[in-house]
Amino acid sequence: EIVLTQSPGTLSLSPGERATLSCRASQSLSSIYLAWYQQKPGQAPRLLISGASNRATGIPDRFSGSGSGTDFTLTISRLEPEDFAVYYCQQYAGSPLYSFGQGTKLEIK
Amino acid sequence: EVHLLESGGGLVQPGGSLRLSCAASGFNFSNYAMHWVRQAPGKGLEWVSGISNSGGSTYFADSVKGRFTISRDNSKNTMYVQMNSLRAEDTAVYYCAKRGAYPVYGMDVWGQGTTVTVSS
Repeated sequence: EIVLTQSPGTLSLSPGERATLSCRASQSLSSIYLAWYQQKPGQAPRLLISGASNRATGIPDRFSGSGSGTDFTLTISRLEPEDFAVYYCQQYAGSPLYSFGQGTKLEIK
Repeated sequence: EVHLLESGGGLVQPGGSLRLSCAASGFNFSNYAMHWVRQAPGKGLEWVSGISNSGGSTYFADSVKGRFTISRDNSKNTMYVQMNSLRAEDTAVYYCAKRGAYPVYGMDVWGQGTTVTVSS
């Protein structure tokens, strides 16, 4: 079973600052199988990044993804007020077929 | 516009059954794998089950294997999950989600969710 561990659990930053979120896999996975999502309270998740580094349609370029093997990163270059939310990484093709990290809450400092 | 709409949630007693539906519109439903993802109150996301575009392959999380079945009717652009032997820990918002077109393995369209509460 592939386990995804996200850190930190909570990140407190101010608008305009840079956010760096980490996702570590318990075993190596292909970058094509790593995605990132944003979820705001009361809303469904939204796909931000697929294939570790490819922005989904309509996602601003302040969001970027990187990494390979077991270590992946989501970076938000300059935080906007609407970016404060919970972020999840997700892997595909392990066992189970999909799994999510436990999430990182990005809160306003 | 691409849209997914879940229905069928509600209150059910432990040991009971419920069937959720996910109606799709705005895209060629029969071309895409589909999934169910749930979120217990105050918790993170948990992938529950998935089905290939044809319906020929199905997948389940260990937590629901043997209790849930997934199906789809491509003529009706609808996916279903039949949930039997429900437990308190199945209480969650259930989302249906569309997998992206290759090589996107992420879930690029989500419904608004339907709430399932298992309680006596």
